[in-house]
Amino acid sequence: GQNIDQPTEMTATEGAIVQINCTYQTSGFNGLFWYQQHAGEAPTFLSYNVLDGLEEKGRFSSFLSRSKGYSYLLLKELQMKDSASYLCAVSDSNYQLIWGAGTKLIIKP
Amino acid sequence: GAVVSQHPSRVICKSGTSVKIECRSLDFQATTMFWYRQFPKQSLMLMATSNEGSKATYEQGVEKDKFLINHASLTLSTLTVTSAHPEDSSFYICSARDPSAGDNNEQFFGPGTRLTVL
Repeated sequence: GQNIDQPTEMTATEGAIVQINCTYQTSGFNGLFWYQQHAGEAPTFLSYNVLDGLEEKGRFSSFLSRSKGYSYLLLKELQMKDSASYLCAVSDSNYQLIWGAGTKLIIKP
Repeated sequence: GAVVSQHPSRVICKSGTSVKIECRSLDFQATTMFWYRQFPKQSLMLMATSNEGSKATYEQGVEKDKFLINHASLTLSTLTVTSAHPEDSSFYICSARDPSAGDNNEQFFGPGTRLTVL
């Protein structure tokens, strides 16, 4: 079966760095997405990785290792507004997104 | 960037009535749109893939006669929840792919519709 695993909840301090991990097992792979979702709102796109390595975009970076079925989202210089759920999603062989359950990130002052 | 709108943002209806939710791609043509449902503290669940000019593809366990999807144009897909019941209360989100946006298959999400069935 297809499976995406990510931690349910994480807590971090304002100004610090946090890494959210995602492991996946899917039928085929056409890229991995990270989305941010604030409570009561739709997801917003953060990053896309299809090749191994690190993609950096401002305070957010995303890493992918296809051989390990592993990705992480790195958030630097955390701000209170970063408190949200972070969803990992993999595009499978049919280009359908398989979603993780999301990681709720709590930022403390 | 690609923008997707949804209407209404919130709807409250009585049990047994039908509710229509519209999803529009505002600045691009979307041959494929997706309808998701999200219950509190859970992840997105794909309900169906909506293809312009053809029948929608429903995920296992989703009743196609209850959740009617129409994708009549390249910019509009509608989801009608027929004979709604309280257990249908959820957050419904649509998304669309912009074919001109490159190879990353990114889905652009509408703002969602909060449905409450009394």
